[in-house]
Amino acid sequence: EIVLTQSPTTMAASPGERVTITCRASSSVNYMYWYQQMSGASPKLWIYDSSKLASGVPDRFSGSVSGTSYSLTINTMEAEDAATYYCQQCCSLPYTFGAGTKLEL
Amino acid sequence: EVQLVESGGGLVQPGDSLKLSCAASGFTFSEYAMAWVRQSPKRGLEWVATIIYDDDSTYYRNSVKGRFTISRDNARSALYLQMDSLRSEDTATYYCTTHRTLWFGHWGQGTLVTVSS
Repeated sequence: EIVLTQSPTTMAASPGERVTITCRASSSVNYMYWYQQMSGASPKLWIYDSSKLASGVPDRFSGSVSGTSYSLTINTMEAEDAATYYCQQCCSLPYTFGAGTKLEL
Repeated sequence: EVQLVESGGGLVQPGDSLKLSCAASGFTFSEYAMAWVRQSPKRGLEWVATIIYDDDSTYYRNSVKGRFTISRDNARSALYLQMDSLRSEDTATYYCTTHRTLWFGHWGQGTLVTVSS
């Protein structure tokens, strides 16, 4: 089973600040997927194929990869971005998720 | 607009059975693979099972294999999860999702399953 390790577990950011969340895979994966979950709501697909924004996602978000390390970056933090973000690997059963990064304002 | 509405959750005892349903609308259900994903505070998000378009191919996580059965009724645009021999560790909110091979595109609001004596 591929284990995804997210860091940090929690973090606080101020409006306008640049934020980076990292997800490391225990084995090589072709792509990484990111989900945003607001408090009390269902997860939403946020980034697919490592760097493509899902429909309706603001372009201050971006995704990137460096080796087996995947990142989600918010160029300038906004209040509405406070949520928990999860990464998910696509390519080896069982599909697995990271433990999440709680981003607070 | 894609809508996925789960139902059937509740409080059951260890060893009991429960059947979850998911009513889908807003897309051509028969053209999509579908999945169940669960979430609990202890275990986080866990993929449970996937069924391909035509019901012939199903996939399960090891911990539910032999106890859970995923099925679909394309005529009714409905997805099901039959859960037998339930354990305390199956306690979670269960989400119905579209499964675009590599990612989980749309999610329902979830239905809570609690397994406790």
